Amino acid sequence: AQTVTQSQPEMSVQEAETVTLSCTYDTSESDYYLFWYKQPPSRQMILVIRQEAYKQQNATENRFSVNFQKAAKSFSLKISDSQLGDAAMYFCAYRSGETSGSRLTFGEGTQLTVNP
Amino acid sequence: EAGVTQSPTHLIKTRGQQATLRCSPISGHTSVYWYQQALGLGLQFLLWYDEGEERNRGNFPPRFSGRQFPNYSSELNVNALELEDSALYLCASSQGPSGRAYRMEETQYFGPGTRLLVL
Repeated sequence: AQTVTQSQPEMSVQEAETVTLSCTYDTSESDYYLFWYKQPPSRQMILVIRQEAYKQQNATENRFSVNFQKAAKSFSLKISDSQLGDAAMYFCAYRSGETSGSRLTFGEGTQLTVNP
Repeated sequence: EAGVTQSPTHLIKTRGQQATLRCSPISGHTSVYWYQQALGLGLQFLLWYDEGEERNRGNFPPRFSGRQFPNYSSELNVNALELEDSALYLCASSQGPSGRAYRMEETQYFGPGTRLLVL
């Protein structure tokens, strides 16, 4: 079974600064997808960024980028120019690519605080 | 484009009652997933429906069940409610099963959730 670990329960960053959230995973599969979702106080899960394991190039979405290290099974999220609206719980998630309709396996989450 | 919608936003029940939660997927999505987010237990997969069929279920007892309608909307039913069923229930939708090359399109998009409180 796959597992996802987020070792930082809480992180804080100053507005306009950069912060990196860590995520490691364990799998024996070679075909999979990785995601970062954010959950603000409204509780709705919002997709931030996604990465295919087959792609060497790190995904980027505006101020959000990932550092995908496949051999190390690491998938960190970097948020640049942090904004107050980035404050949320961030979840790293894994999905198998071996079969369709695979469930998401989530990490425990990292609560990000953005200080003005 | 409308996102995933869920109703009700909040639901209060007493132990032993039944709860029904509803989810409407993004237009064009045929797959619906249900997750439970309980305090201290994280996010756990409950059920996956596609084309009206239950395709997979997580490690939950049979009193958690559901169905998917021809318009791809879905219901989650929880029978014989227990106190520990109190949680946020999240529904997600995605495009249906596809070939390996297109599986990124099965990315799951979430609704706002239903908060169930069992007293």
